[in-house]
Amino acid sequence: GIQVEQSPPDLILQEGANSTLRCNFSDSVNNLQWFHQNPWGQLINLFYIPSGTKQNGRLSATTVATERYSLLYISSSQTTDSGVYFCAPCSGTYKYIFGTGTRLKVLA
Amino acid sequence: NAGVTQTPKFQVLKTGQSMTLQCAQDMNHEYMSWYRQDPGMGLRLIHYSVGAGITDQGEVPNGYNVSRSTTEDFPLRLLSAAPSQTSVYFCASSFRHQGRDNYGYTFGSGTRLTVV
Repeated sequence: GIQVEQSPPDLILQEGANSTLRCNFSDSVNNLQWFHQNPWGQLINLFYIPSGTKQNGRLSATTVATERYSLLYISSSQTTDSGVYFCAPCSGTYKYIFGTGTRLKVLA
Repeated sequence: NAGVTQTPKFQVLKTGQSMTLQCAQDMNHEYMSWYRQDPGMGLRLIHYSVGAGITDQGEVPNGYNVSRSTTEDFPLRLLSAAPSQTSVYFCASSFRHQGRDNYGYTFGSGTRLTVV
C-alpha cells in the first residue's frame, strides 16, 4: 500500500514565525487531505488538495502530485496552531492513509 | 446539528469481552469510517462504508466487525477484546467523492478504550 512520510516530526516555533511542513507519498493519489489535531485530541480537516494550491487565512497548501509530495505552509504562527498536523493521501476509493504527523509547538 | 457523535467516550474491557462502539452522524453523509490512533503511529483505517449496506476493509480490520444498516449509524464491534486493541478510536464521515471541492470530512471526539 501507499507509504506516507511527514517531516519534520517535531517543530518548535516562536509566535509569529513561519513554517513549512512536508508530506511525501509513495504512489499516485486521487485525493489528499491535511488535518490538524489540537492538544485536546480533536481532528479538524484543513484542506482537500489533490493538486495545485489552496489558501485559507494564514494557512496554505500545495500538492505536486506528479512528484508525490504536498506542503503545508503556516504563516505568522499563533499558540493556537499547536498540535499535530497529519497529511492523508487517498490512492483508491476513500482509503485515506495517514502519515505519523508533525508535532508543532508554538511558544508565546 | 450535532455532527459526528461517538459513545462511549471511555471504556475499560477485560480480555475476551466483546463490545460495540457507537457512531452516529446527522449530516446525511454517505461515507463513514473508523480509525484507531496509537501513540506515535498516526491514524490507521479499520473499516469504511460508502453507503447503507456497503462496507469494506481498511488497513487493520482483523478483530473488528462493522455494519451499516442506516445512513446515520456505523457501529464498530470488537469480537473478543485483546490488549493490542487498547487505543483511541475515531469515527469520521463525509460526502462521497463526486467532484466536490469540499467533502465536509468530520471526525467524532473519539473513544478511549483500554483492554486489561
